[in-house]
Amino acid sequence: AQSVTQLDSQVPVFEEAPVELRCNYSSSVSVYLFWYVQYPNQGLQLLLKYLSGSTLVESINGFEAEFNKSQTSFHLRKPSVHISDTAEYFCAVSDGGGTSYGKLTFGQGTILTVHP
Amino acid sequence: EAGVAQSPRYKIIEKRQSVAFWCNPISGHATLYWYQQILGQGPKLLIQFQNNGVVDDSQLPKDRFSAERLKGVDSTLKIQPAKLEDSAVYLCASSFSPTNTGELFFGEGSRLTVL
Repeated sequence: AQSVTQLDSQVPVFEEAPVELRCNYSSSVSVYLFWYVQYPNQGLQLLLKYLSGSTLVESINGFEAEFNKSQTSFHLRKPSVHISDTAEYFCAVSDGGGTSYGKLTFGQGTILTVHP
Repeated sequence: EAGVAQSPRYKIIEKRQSVAFWCNPISGHATLYWYQQILGQGPKLLIQFQNNGVVDDSQLPKDRFSAERLKGVDSTLKIQPAKLEDSAVYLCASSFSPTNTGELFFGEGSRLTVL
């Protein structure tokens, strides 16, 4: 069975400061890792994903995450946040392959609040 | 491109009543998922369809929940009878195929309150 732990339920930060949202997972098999974001009054949308290859993955709006197999982590980082990054962020894992990509196990979510 | 449509957005019912939620996935998406998100928790998969067949319903409480996807397009999730612990947001998601690069497209959800 897989599980995902997001270590912080809320992260307040000032605009232009760096941020890290922490995610640890447990799985007995190879995993595929995702970060989804939910902006206020919107549906969940994919921010970035790790399926294979380079362990450092980036999103189009400046976020990055690094797959660390030895520490079973997939932390999300951004060097300088904007007000518009205020949202809830979910880390998710699947064991992939066959029909499993969509069988995501989600963490509890981290609410990122960016203050001016 | 239209996104995943869900209705109703909000529903309040009393326990032991029934409720149904509807989902229209993105056109051409063969795979459809229903997730349940209880307040303060991450979404939990209830059921996965591939076209009009069920791929996984292992976490669906079948004594009260049912879902169908007739004709492999729209889907309906029903709860009968509802319990207090069913209060949650019900999310529908779709993907082009189950092995597409892992991106699911979510609707805005249907928020259920059971009194």
